[in-house]
Amino acid sequence: DAGVTQSPTHLIKTRGQQVTLRCSPKSGHDTVSWYQQALGQGPQFIFQYYEEEERQRGNFPDRFSGHQFPNYSSELNVNALLLGDSALYLCASSLGLMNTEAFFGQGTRLTVV
Amino acid sequence: GEDVEQSLFLSVREGDSSVINCTYTDSSSTYLYWYKQEPGAGLQLLTYIFSNMDMKQDQRLTVLLNKKDKHLSLRIADTQTGDSAIYFCAEWDNAGNMLTFGGGTRLMVKP
Repeated sequence: DAGVTQSPTHLIKTRGQQVTLRCSPKSGHDTVSWYQQALGQGPQFIFQYYEEEERQRGNFPDRFSGHQFPNYSSELNVNALLLGDSALYLCASSLGLMNTEAFFGQGTRLTVV
Repeated sequence: GEDVEQSLFLSVREGDSSVINCTYTDSSSTYLYWYKQEPGAGLQLLTYIFSNMDMKQDQRLTVLLNKKDKHLSLRIADTQTGDSAIYFCAEWDNAGNMLTFGGGTRLMVKP
């Protein structure tokens, strides 16, 4: 049983560019949440997708957007990259909107230069 | 808003017990969690406790919850070098359907 998988594992982008990160949830899970973890800090909630809609959003600008597909996989898009967007981006999946047991992927390390 | 605080660093000797502490502010939190993160890896869910419980034990792990003081602790018995990692405390935000994490405690286990 595959857990949460994220791609790519590492990525280097230039300031001003756009990036797309991908996440496949754990088998049987239908809800995907995205978190940003800056170096030396705890993860910060970006947003959550359920039934292909953004359900909740943390304190992140509109440059951060996402999508969920019918197969429950999800993408995180970041436009107009800033140096401060360099971080580990973590995807978490769970079953149902109110489910409180979330499983995390290995993350995508984004470096903006 | 919610805030979760942890001490930054803990060093113990192999075989000793480790106790990692956490304080939180959201009294309406229903679940509190401990996650482990090894270098270059994602988060591994270790255990969680429902807010109406005082204690939960799972093999070498013991979670204690003092709801009055909003204090959560994780005790690791017989700590091994493989336990060296960063440990994150997190609370479940019912309103936001999200986890709010502390800054993490780096546990170093010396042989």
